Amino acid sequence: SAVISQKPSRDICQRGTSLTIQCQVDSQVTMMFWYRQQPGQSLTLIATANQGSEATYESGFVIDKFPISRPNLTFSTLTVSNMSPEDSSIYLCSAGQGHGYTFGSGTRLTVV
Amino acid sequence: KQEVTQIPAALSVPEGENLVLNCSFTDSAIYNLQWFRQDPGKGLTSLLLIQSSQREQTSGRLNASLDKSSGRSTLYIAASQPGDSATYLCAVIRNNRLAFGKGNQVVVIP
Repeated sequence: SAVISQKPSRDICQRGTSLTIQCQVDSQVTMMFWYRQQPGQSLTLIATANQGSEATYESGFVIDKFPISRPNLTFSTLTVSNMSPEDSSIYLCSAGQGHGYTFGSGTRLTVV
Repeated sequence: KQEVTQIPAALSVPEGENLVLNCSFTDSAIYNLQWFRQDPGKGLTSLLLIQSSQREQTSGRLNASLDKSSGRSTLYIAASQPGDSATYLCAVIRNNRLAFGKGNQVVVIP
Protein backbone atom coordinates (compact mmCIF):
# COMPACT_ATOMS: atom_id res chain seq x y z
CA SER A 1 0.00 0.00 0.00
CA ALA A 2 1.03 3.62 -0.52
CA VAL A 3 3.19 5.45 2.00
CA ILE A 4 2.32 9.09 2.70
CA SER A 5 4.71 11.70 4.06
CA GLN A 6 2.90 14.62 5.70
CA LYS A 7 4.39 17.84 6.96
CA PRO A 8 4.58 19.77 9.17
CA SER A 9 3.92 17.33 11.99
CA ARG A 10 2.82 20.15 14.26
CA ASP A 11 2.62 23.91 14.35
CA ILE A 12 1.48 26.72 16.61
CA CYS A 13 0.00 29.61 14.65
CA GLN A 14 -1.36 33.05 15.38
CA ARG A 15 -5.03 33.69 14.72
CA GLY A 16 -5.70 35.30 11.37
CA THR A 17 -2.76 33.62 9.64
CA SER A 18 -2.74 30.65 7.24
CA LEU A 19 -0.96 27.30 7.28
CA THR A 20 -0.32 25.00 4.34
CA ILE A 21 -0.02 21.27 4.96
CA GLN A 22 1.68 19.06 2.41
CA CYS A 23 1.27 15.37 1.62
CA GLN A 24 3.57 13.39 -0.65
CA VAL A 25 2.64 9.86 -1.71
CA ASP A 26 5.27 7.35 -2.80
CA SER A 27 3.15 6.13 -5.72
CA GLN A 28 0.54 7.56 -8.05
CA VAL A 29 -2.95 7.58 -6.57
CA THR A 30 -6.18 8.73 -8.12
CA MET A 31 -7.91 9.95 -5.02
CA MET A 32 -6.61 11.82 -2.00
CA PHE A 33 -8.63 12.93 0.97
CA TRP A 34 -8.27 15.50 3.74
CA TYR A 35 -9.69 14.94 7.22
CA ARG A 36 -9.99 16.94 10.41
CA GLN A 37 -9.96 15.41 13.87
CA GLN A 38 -11.05 17.78 16.59
CA PRO A 39 -10.00 17.06 20.19
CA GLY A 40 -11.74 13.97 21.52
CA GLN A 41 -13.62 13.40 18.28
CA SER A 42 -13.35 11.07 15.36
CA LEU A 43 -12.29 11.96 11.84
CA THR A 44 -14.43 14.21 9.65
CA LEU A 45 -13.88 14.36 5.90
CA ILE A 46 -13.11 17.88 4.67
CA ALA A 47 -12.75 17.23 0.95
CA THR A 48 -11.74 14.83 -1.78
CA ALA A 49 -8.91 15.96 -4.05
CA ASN A 50 -8.62 14.60 -7.58
CA GLN A 51 -5.84 15.58 -9.95
CA GLY A 52 -6.95 17.90 -12.70
CA SER A 53 -10.20 19.01 -11.13
CA GLU A 54 -11.42 21.10 -8.24
CA ALA A 55 -11.68 19.44 -4.88
CA THR A 56 -15.09 18.27 -3.72
CA TYR A 57 -15.95 19.68 -0.31
CA GLU A 58 -18.19 18.14 2.32
CA SER A 59 -21.05 19.99 3.91
CA GLY A 60 -19.76 22.58 6.35
CA PHE A 61 -16.40 23.06 4.62
CA VAL A 62 -15.73 25.73 1.97
CA ILE A 63 -12.96 26.37 -0.50
CA ASP A 64 -12.21 29.88 0.79
CA LYS A 65 -11.40 28.48 4.24
CA PHE A 66 -9.71 25.23 3.14
CA PRO A 67 -8.22 25.67 -0.35
CA ILE A 68 -6.74 22.45 -1.72
CA SER A 69 -4.25 21.86 -4.51
CA ARG A 70 -3.63 18.59 -6.36
CA PRO A 71 -1.02 19.38 -9.02
CA ASN A 72 -0.17 15.72 -9.80
CA LEU A 73 -0.98 12.16 -8.80
CA THR A 74 1.51 12.04 -5.90
CA PHE A 75 1.06 15.37 -4.12
CA SER A 76 -1.59 17.51 -2.46
CA THR A 77 -1.76 20.49 -0.13
CA LEU A 78 -4.41 21.77 2.24
CA THR A 79 -4.36 25.37 3.46
CA VAL A 80 -6.17 26.41 6.61
CA SER A 81 -6.92 30.09 6.06
CA ASN A 82 -7.63 32.98 8.42
CA MET A 83 -7.25 30.67 11.38
CA SER A 84 -9.12 30.94 14.67
CA PRO A 85 -8.71 28.87 17.85
CA GLU A 86 -11.63 26.69 16.66
CA ASP A 87 -9.35 25.42 13.87
CA SER A 88 -7.08 23.75 16.43
CA SER A 89 -7.22 20.10 15.38
CA ILE A 90 -5.25 17.29 13.86
CA TYR A 91 -5.39 17.38 10.05
CA LEU A 92 -4.76 14.18 8.13
CA CYS A 93 -4.42 13.32 4.49
CA SER A 94 -5.31 9.93 3.08
CA ALA A 95 -5.06 8.04 -0.18
CA GLY A 96 -6.63 4.89 -1.49
CA GLN A 97 -9.72 3.33 -2.92
CA GLY A 98 -12.10 0.58 -1.98
CA HIS A 99 -9.31 -1.88 -1.22
CA GLY A 100 -8.03 0.07 1.73
CA TYR A 101 -6.78 3.47 2.72
CA THR A 102 -3.49 4.84 4.00
CA PHE A 103 -3.06 7.91 6.15
CA GLY A 104 -0.33 10.43 6.69
CA SER A 105 1.16 10.95 10.13
CA GLY A 106 -1.03 13.98 10.79
CA THR A 107 -0.47 17.68 11.45
CA ARG A 108 -1.27 18.86 14.95
CA LEU A 109 -2.35 22.50 14.64
CA THR A 110 -2.75 24.82 17.60
CA VAL A 111 -4.09 28.32 16.97
CA VAL A 112 -3.39 30.94 19.64
CA LYS B 1 -26.33 8.48 6.96
CA GLN B 2 -23.98 5.81 8.27
CA GLU B 3 -23.54 5.85 12.04
CA VAL B 4 -20.59 3.98 13.53
CA THR B 5 -20.40 3.21 17.24
CA GLN B 6 -17.47 1.73 19.11
CA ILE B 7 -17.85 0.13 22.51
CA PRO B 8 -16.30 0.38 25.00
CA ALA B 9 -15.04 3.93 24.57
CA ALA B 10 -12.13 3.22 26.92
CA LEU B 11 -10.74 0.22 28.72
CA SER B 12 -7.71 -0.81 30.75
CA VAL B 13 -6.47 -4.37 30.94
CA PRO B 14 -3.48 -6.07 32.55
CA GLU B 15 -0.75 -7.24 30.25
CA GLY B 16 -1.40 -10.68 28.79
CA GLU B 17 -5.18 -10.43 28.69
CA ASN B 18 -7.04 -10.68 25.40
CA LEU B 19 -8.72 -7.52 24.09
CA VAL B 20 -12.15 -7.48 22.47
CA LEU B 21 -13.14 -4.25 20.73
CA ASN B 22 -16.57 -3.80 19.17
CA CYS B 23 -17.73 -1.71 16.23
CA SER B 24 -21.35 -1.44 15.08
CA PHE B 25 -22.79 0.34 12.07
CA THR B 26 -26.29 1.20 10.97
CA ASP B 27 -26.18 0.66 7.19
CA SER B 28 -25.14 -2.84 6.14
CA ALA B 29 -24.68 -1.84 2.47
CA ILE B 30 -20.94 -1.43 2.88
CA TYR B 31 -18.03 -2.40 0.66
CA ASN B 32 -15.30 -2.96 3.21
CA LEU B 33 -14.36 -2.29 6.81
CA GLN B 34 -10.93 -1.23 7.97
CA TRP B 35 -9.44 -1.15 11.46
CA PHE B 36 -6.81 1.44 12.34
CA ARG B 37 -4.59 2.23 15.29
CA GLN B 38 -3.90 5.81 16.36
CA ASP B 39 -1.27 6.85 18.88
CA PRO B 40 -1.83 10.15 20.73
CA GLY B 41 -1.51 13.14 18.41
CA LYS B 42 -0.48 10.96 15.48
CA GLY B 43 -1.87 9.67 12.22
CA LEU B 44 -3.62 6.37 11.55
CA THR B 45 -1.90 3.05 11.00
CA SER B 46 -3.88 0.43 9.11
CA LEU B 47 -4.26 -2.86 10.95
CA LEU B 48 -6.70 -4.97 8.98
CA LEU B 49 -9.00 -4.58 6.00
CA ILE B 50 -12.02 -6.87 5.74
CA GLN B 51 -13.73 -6.96 2.37
CA SER B 52 -17.50 -7.21 2.40
CA SER B 53 -17.39 -10.78 1.06
CA GLN B 54 -15.13 -11.91 3.90
CA ARG B 55 -16.08 -12.81 7.45
CA GLU B 56 -12.70 -12.33 9.06
CA GLN B 57 -9.06 -11.34 8.62
CA THR B 58 -6.04 -12.24 10.70
CA SER B 59 -2.61 -10.70 11.12
CA GLY B 60 -0.37 -11.99 13.87
CA ARG B 61 -2.08 -11.44 17.21
CA LEU B 62 -4.93 -9.52 15.56
CA ASN B 63 -8.14 -11.00 14.27
CA ALA B 64 -11.09 -9.01 12.96
CA SER B 65 -14.52 -10.40 12.16
CA LEU B 66 -17.32 -8.88 10.13
CA ASP B 67 -21.04 -9.66 10.29
CA LYS B 68 -22.74 -7.40 7.78
CA SER B 69 -26.24 -8.68 8.50
CA SER B 70 -26.04 -7.58 12.11
CA GLY B 71 -23.91 -4.51 11.39
CA ARG B 72 -21.00 -5.56 13.59
CA SER B 73 -17.27 -6.01 13.52
CA THR B 74 -15.04 -7.18 16.34
CA LEU B 75 -11.29 -6.74 16.70
CA TYR B 76 -9.55 -9.31 18.90
CA ILE B 77 -6.02 -8.70 20.14
CA ALA B 78 -4.50 -11.76 21.76
CA ALA B 79 -2.07 -11.63 24.70
CA SER B 80 -2.04 -7.84 24.99
CA GLN B 81 1.23 -5.95 25.50
CA PRO B 82 1.92 -2.44 26.83
CA GLY B 83 2.82 -1.46 23.26
CA ASP B 84 -0.79 -2.15 22.26
CA SER B 85 -1.87 0.93 24.23
CA ALA B 86 -3.50 3.23 21.67
CA THR B 87 -6.87 4.23 20.27
CA TYR B 88 -8.39 1.78 17.81
CA LEU B 89 -10.69 3.14 15.11
CA CYS B 90 -12.98 1.25 12.81
CA ALA B 91 -13.99 2.74 9.47
CA VAL B 92 -16.87 1.55 7.33
CA ILE B 93 -16.19 2.05 3.64
CA ARG B 94 -18.66 2.66 0.85
CA ASN B 95 -18.23 4.60 -2.41
CA ASN B 96 -14.79 5.84 -1.33
CA ARG B 97 -16.27 7.35 1.79
CA LEU B 98 -15.06 6.30 5.20
CA ALA B 99 -17.34 6.63 8.21
CA PHE B 100 -15.39 6.43 11.46
CA GLY B 101 -16.35 5.56 14.97
CA LYS B 102 -14.95 7.58 17.86
CA GLY B 103 -12.57 4.80 18.79
CA ASN B 104 -11.74 2.40 21.59
CA GLN B 105 -9.03 3.89 23.83
CA VAL B 106 -6.96 1.02 25.22
CA VAL B 107 -4.43 1.03 28.04
CA VAL B 108 -2.49 -2.16 28.72
CA ILE B 109 -1.05 -2.14 32.23
CA PRO B 110 2.36 -3.81 32.65
